[in-house]
Amino acid sequence: ETGVTQSPTHLIKTRGQQVTLRCSSQSGHNTVSWYQQALGQGPQFIFQYYREEENGRGNFPPRFSGLQFPNYSSELNVNALELDDSALYLCASSPRQASSYEQYFGPGTRLTVT
Amino acid sequence: QKEVEQDPGPLSVPEGAIVSLNCTYSNSAFQYFMWYRQYSRKGPELLMYTYSSGNKEDGRFTAQVDKSSKYISLFIRDSQPSDSATYLCAAGGTSYGKLTFGQGTILTVHP
Repeated sequence: ETGVTQSPTHLIKTRGQQVTLRCSSQSGHNTVSWYQQALGQGPQFIFQYYREEENGRGNFPPRFSGLQFPNYSSELNVNALELDDSALYLCASSPRQASSYEQYFGPGTRLTVT
Repeated sequence: QKEVEQDPGPLSVPEGAIVSLNCTYSNSAFQYFMWYRQYSRKGPELLMYTYSSGNKEDGRFTAQVDKSSKYISLFIRDSQPSDSATYLCAAGGTSYGKLTFGQGTILTVHP
């Protein structure tokens, strides 16, 4: 059974640019959530996707957007990058939409904005 | 006030010690309570979860939830140097999968 995978591992972008991060969910999981983890902080919920639709959103501006594909993989897009967007971006998959207790995280993508 | 509060530590203990990690929360809608372990530069790894109040044991780890006081605990018995990591508590509801995390406690177990 393959776990959650994310790509790329590291990324360096310039302020104002756009970035796309990718996530492949664990086999058998149909729900994907994205989190932002700043250095020294716990992860913060960005949004969740279920059946290719956004199913809930945290306190993040619209320049954070996402997609989920029919194979349940997902993308996180961030436009107009700001310095404060520098963080570890984590993807978590779960087997059920309301499954807050069964979320399995990938290794993350470390984004640095200069 | 953050919905889940966790003392960031750091916490340093000798090998074999019993470790107690704690969180408090403020949102009464939380029904699920999780503990994750995160090694440096890695994603969080789910250790265990508890539904509502009560205890749950898994090997050397015991999770406790007291909903009356909104208190979450994780106990690690016979701690090992390999337990050195950041421990994150998290809480969630039943409507959809949003997790609310504490700040994380940095634990070091020295030989």
